[in-house]
Amino acid sequence: EPEVTQTPSHQVTQMGQEVILRCVPISNHLYFYWYRQILGQKVEFLVSFYNNEISEKSEIFDDQFSVERPDGSNFTLKIRSTKLEDSAMYFCASTLAGANTGELFFGEGSRLTVL
Amino acid sequence: QKEVEQNSGPLSVPEGAIASLNCTYSDRGSQSFFWYRQYSGKSPELIMFIYSNGDKEDGRFTAQLNKASQYVSLLIRDSQPSDSATYLCAVAPKTSYDKVIFGPGTSLSVIP
Repeated sequence: EPEVTQTPSHQVTQMGQEVILRCVPISNHLYFYWYRQILGQKVEFLVSFYNNEISEKSEIFDDQFSVERPDGSNFTLKIRSTKLEDSAMYFCASTLAGANTGELFFGEGSRLTVL
Repeated sequence: QKEVEQNSGPLSVPEGAIASLNCTYSDRGSQSFFWYRQYSGKSPELIMFIYSNGDKEDGRFTAQLNKASQYVSLLIRDSQPSDSATYLCAVAPKTSYDKVIFGPGTSLSVIP
């Protein structure tokens, strides 16, 4: 069964360092997302991406964040200068026809710990 | 006002009972509503979606939508210990183009 894969599963970094989280969405999906979940808190929307551009982003997704689809398969989230409060589980998701029309398929997540 | 609200729980029900999970949302024009299940340390997975007022049944699960009251619920019949998880209500707001907003989740514990 097709699945969304994410790497790394866990990354520990020092405050101020750059981090890149990688995702391989399901191959025929067209819409891609990043969500994050701080431990014990709700799943928060960060950004949606379609046709090689950002469709929508939240207030959390400030200038420190960027997304890219560098090739036909990968979808990355870059945090330019990490802060302690960026520590969270980051979920990549994809869907065939948009988040409001059907299921979001989530990856297993990348846990980011900022020290 | 928070966009999607749920009782945080924990909600405890005995095995075989009906579990009732509730959700309210603030954007009156929202069109799409989802229930996801999240086991501890895992990613969310879709249980059901509902678009129209009324009930939608899928096996042991029934989703209920009342747009006038801005209320969505999920009923789990014949609850099993494997249903113990956090249940996330998610809404696609009309005000947005392509995102789904999650509620804080309700923790369900099914006691054998």
